[in-house]
Amino acid sequence: DTGVSQDPRHKITKRGQNVTFRCDPISEHNRLYWYRQTLGQGPEFLTYFQNEAQLEKSRLLSDRFSAERPKGSFSTLEIQRTEQGDSAMYLCASSLSGPHQPQHFGDGTRLSIL
Amino acid sequence: AQTVTQSQPEMSVQEAETVTLSCTYDTSESDYYLFWYKQPPSRQMILVIRQEAYKQQNATENRFSVNFQKAAKSFSLKISDSQLGDAAMYFCASNAGGTSYGKLTFGQGTILTVHP
Repeated sequence: DTGVSQDPRHKITKRGQNVTFRCDPISEHNRLYWYRQTLGQGPEFLTYFQNEAQLEKSRLLSDRFSAERPKGSFSTLEIQRTEQGDSAMYLCASSLSGPHQPQHFGDGTRLSIL
Repeated sequence: AQTVTQSQPEMSVQEAETVTLSCTYDTSESDYYLFWYKQPPSRQMILVIRQEAYKQQNATENRFSVNFQKAAKSFSLKISDSQLGDAAMYFCASNAGGTSYGKLTFGQGTILTVHP
């Protein structure tokens, strides 16, 4: 069990550019979640997958955001035409199925928009 | 929709003493789970303790225990014999049952400082 891995740890980009983040879940976990966390706040749910199926997306996830999980393994989160308000920590978590199952979080990707 | 509220932005405790962090929640679901997560500075979030709503017995994990009051929709975390390593941001979270089970709804967090 190597834990949830996220790449990159930090991303600095100019407004208007596209960015893509990657998350590698714990290998036996079939559920994968994306959250966004701004400074001093709790994480906010963005979307989650069960295997390769995207089961729910938050209203926070505008059309500029897209997430994929091909083959039910790693996942990518892409933000197109980044805006200042996208600056945040993007957290990935994974778990086994079941509401009682704890979610295991990665270290996050910190996005800074210049 | 679920909401989770942590009314204490900051708390402090002396090493070896006991501290209680408060959390209230609101949900229309009858089946749900509650969690406390710890996020040390610049480190990943880790699970501290979890409670299943249908269980009346309060969960305990070593020095960590909860006081779950279902009717009052209250879920507080008690840390006994506080250690310097307990210093972190603590988040209360709920996980609804039904078709949306899985996604966590977090509170705003409580920063815990432990004084030597």
